[in-house]
Amino acid sequence: DAGVIQSPRHEVTEMGQEVTLRCKPISGHNSLFWYRQTMMRGLELLIYFNNNVPIDDSGMPEDRFSAKMPNASFSTLKIQPSEPRDSAVYFCASSLTTVNTEAFFGQGTRLTVV
Amino acid sequence: SQQGEEDPQALSIQEGENATMNCSYKTSINNLQWYRQNSGRGLVHLILIRSNEREKHSGRLRVTLDTSKKSSSLLITASRAADTASYFCATDEYPSNTGKLIFGQGTTLQVKP
Repeated sequence: DAGVIQSPRHEVTEMGQEVTLRCKPISGHNSLFWYRQTMMRGLELLIYFNNNVPIDDSGMPEDRFSAKMPNASFSTLKIQPSEPRDSAVYFCASSLTTVNTEAFFGQGTRLTVV
Repeated sequence: SQQGEEDPQALSIQEGENATMNCSYKTSINNLQWYRQNSGRGLVHLILIRSNEREKHSGRLRVTLDTSKKSSSLLITASRAADTASYFCATDEYPSNTGKLIFGQGTTLQVKP
């Protein structure tokens, strides 16, 4: 397996534009997580899915953020409209939904909103 | 909110020395995990210690867990320049089995050759 695949690796966009980040989890994993990493706030859990169903989105900062998982092999995180303070590295991770299991991270998407 | 808090925030040592990082957490857990992140890369899992375990080894890594103090430590022995990275502890939430992990702020380790 190629691991968790995220795209794009880098995204530069203007304030007010819509941004869509994509993630392909490891085949067979049924939990998927979106994290955001900044110097100020560290690694924050935004939302996680179990069997394609959003379980906890309490970490999503605002209504401008939305996430979907239409099937077991694909998830998106959308920001609309984007703002400069959304600039961060966004990570997707997947794991098996069992106790005592590790998470596998993608390489991240570095988002810059100017 | 942060579940894990790490100490120190930054650590600089010479190659060959040991590096010790500490992590404290707040709630009951099923397990505690340590991850490594090289600059500009994703996190990579290093080791998992279950709540009923007190110590675990993997190569040059040694992890301890004290559930009474809600704390853990990661020891890297005989450090190498290639160990330069940020190290994060992460905890799940007992009795949940969703695999949800909350990460600490991390310790940045620099190993000087």
